[in-house]
This record gives sequence, structure tokens and C-alpha cells, in this order.
Amino acid sequence: EAQVTQNPRYLITVTGKKLTVTCSQNMNHEYMSWYRQDPGLGLRQIYYSMNVEVTDKGDVPEGYKVSRKEKRNFPLILESPSPNQTSLYFCASSRTAFSGNTIYFGEGSWLTVV
Amino acid sequence: TQLLEQSPQFLSIQEGENLTVYCNSSSVFSSLQWYRQEPGEGPVLLVTVVTGGEVKKLKRLTFQFGDARKDSSLHITAAQPGDTGLYLCAGANTNAGKSTFGDGTTLTVKP
Repeated sequence: EAQVTQNPRYLITVTGKKLTVTCSQNMNHEYMSWYRQDPGLGLRQIYYSMNVEVTDKGDVPEGYKVSRKEKRNFPLILESPSPNQTSLYFCASSRTAFSGNTIYFGEGSWLTVV
Repeated sequence: TQLLEQSPQFLSIQEGENLTVYCNSSSVFSSLQWYRQEPGEGPVLLVTVVTGGEVKKLKRLTFQFGDARKDSSLHITAAQPGDTGLYLCAGANTNAGKSTFGDGTTLTVKP
């Protein structure tokens, strides 16, 4: 079954404590992306990756890091989380970055920073 | 930064009514996608439109891409409670990697 898997699904953490949200896809997709979703603001792109070792900033990259060492994995790293990073995070993938391709989303990770 | 504005933001209607959701931008996109998202889940793709003026139908849903590829609409005929959800439009440019989402339209269809 085609899947984008995120972990953890729910996390409460404290300000400044580094955390990583993992994302893995089993479809051999080249393109992967991270979004955050906040009430009234829709989905905003954090970072994306066109392929292994190729990453680029989206619209809201501040406070986040990513890496793409393998095709299937695209972890999102919060080096020093702050309360304004409390949000619902989605990882997504598609076969390529071509805009006509279907984007598959994970189920989301609820992150609360206190 | 390219922006997509959706309207209305909230829509509550009775079962059987028709509705239209709009997605507008001042920017040109090479394609535009519509998603539906239910609580606790990720967005699920409904349709992709790539040609200016293109119209696609998915059962009771009709999607249109504006001639200038700056706007799109989603029309639902005879809405049903199962149509309830958050509808999102997203624009992208070919091979650019960046995507822009609208703020979403929350649709509630009452039985």
C-alpha cells in the first residue's frame, strides 16, 4: 500500500529541546515536502526536496532544518523549538516535482511546544 | 511569494443545495490542484487542472481553471453530508518544487 508515514503523530515538548519528526515514503518518489497547517493560514510549505541531497526552502523555513540522505526519508528537525512552532505538520511526496503529479500526504504530526 | 485566496472561508448549507468555492490569485500557475481534508487526516487530491479554461468533472463536483491560469472554481451539485470537509486549492509551477496553498474553505452540509 502506498504510504507516507510520519512519526510521532502527537508530541508535547518544551522550548529549546531538539526534536525530529520523521517522514518515510514507500513509493520511490523523488519529491518530498514538509508543510505546517495553522488555523486560518492553510498549508504553508517549510522545505522541499527534489531528490536525494537536494533540498530547498519553502515559504516558512525559519527554525527548521531538513536532510535527504536517502530517497525514502525526509526528516524535519527543530533544533530549538519555540511555542510559535506549535502546529500540525504534514509530510508529502510525489513521483517528481512536476506540478501535474499527485501529491500524497501523511496523516500529520501534532506538535505542541510549551 | 505567490498567494492564493479562497472564498468563502466557511460555508454551511443544507443537503441538496449547490455551491461554488473560488480560488483566486494575481499570479499565473502552470497547474492547480484541489484537495479535500477531513479532521485528523492529510489532504487528499481531488483533481489537477493544467490547461487554461479546462473543466473537469468528478461525479457531482465540477472544477474549472481560469483562461489565464490565475484562478479556479469548484462547484458541487446537490451537496451531501459526505461532502463535508475542508477544501484546499494549491498552485504550482512546472518543476519548481514550491507549492502554494489557499487558506481553505470549510464546508458543512447539514442533513
